[in-house]
Amino acid sequence: SAVISQKPSRDICQRGTSLTIQCQVDSQVTMMFWYRQQPGQSLTLIATANQGSEATYESGFVIDKFPISRPNLTFSTLTVSNMSPEDSSIYLCSAYWTGENIQYFGAGTRLSVL
Amino acid sequence: AQSVTQLDSQVPVFEEAPVELRCNYSSSVSVYLFWYVQYPNQGLQLLLKYLSGSTLVKGINGFEAEFNKSQTSFHLRKPSVHISDTAEYFCAVMISNDYKLSFGAGTTVTVRA
Repeated sequence: SAVISQKPSRDICQRGTSLTIQCQVDSQVTMMFWYRQQPGQSLTLIATANQGSEATYESGFVIDKFPISRPNLTFSTLTVSNMSPEDSSIYLCSAYWTGENIQYFGAGTRLSVL
Repeated sequence: AQSVTQLDSQVPVFEEAPVELRCNYSSSVSVYLFWYVQYPNQGLQLLLKYLSGSTLVKGINGFEAEFNKSQTSFHLRKPSVHISDTAEYFCAVMISNDYKLSFGAGTTVTVRA
């Protein structure tokens, strides 16, 4: 299995500001993913982050709002930009374990925007 | 495109009773199937997976699931639940070689004494 650490675990932010969420994996992985879980709902994929290439965004998500970095094989960041109350969600990162065909998840970042 | 339907949004159950959570999927290509659990204020933990082979798969914490290709289902079962099984359960599918997960809406299991 894998250990995936996310920081911060929770934050309360003012509208119009930005927050960067960090995701650290304890082993090297090719693919990492970022998901959003809105209150009381399921997970929606925001983007796929592969090291050495631009992130690939799903329909409804754009780079200007959710810029992603993937500087190496164990680390990624997601920034939520120009936040509004509608961005209040849990943001989760995951890493894909090739040999097991499994995604392992971090504990999530609980974001509230006032 | 694939989709996942979890047929029960909420399942109340008494302690030591059995529970079944239903999951149906649709896909025009072969998929991998997963059940994840999310305990209150925590991330997702993998319960079990089906990739190939035996259609009955066993996971952690006494859970098992059965893959039924003809009915495109992957129902999760536990013969006797504990209070600690109170959580949100998500069924998910992954298209082979696509690596992305599509999740169902989730089933809230509440175990009462």
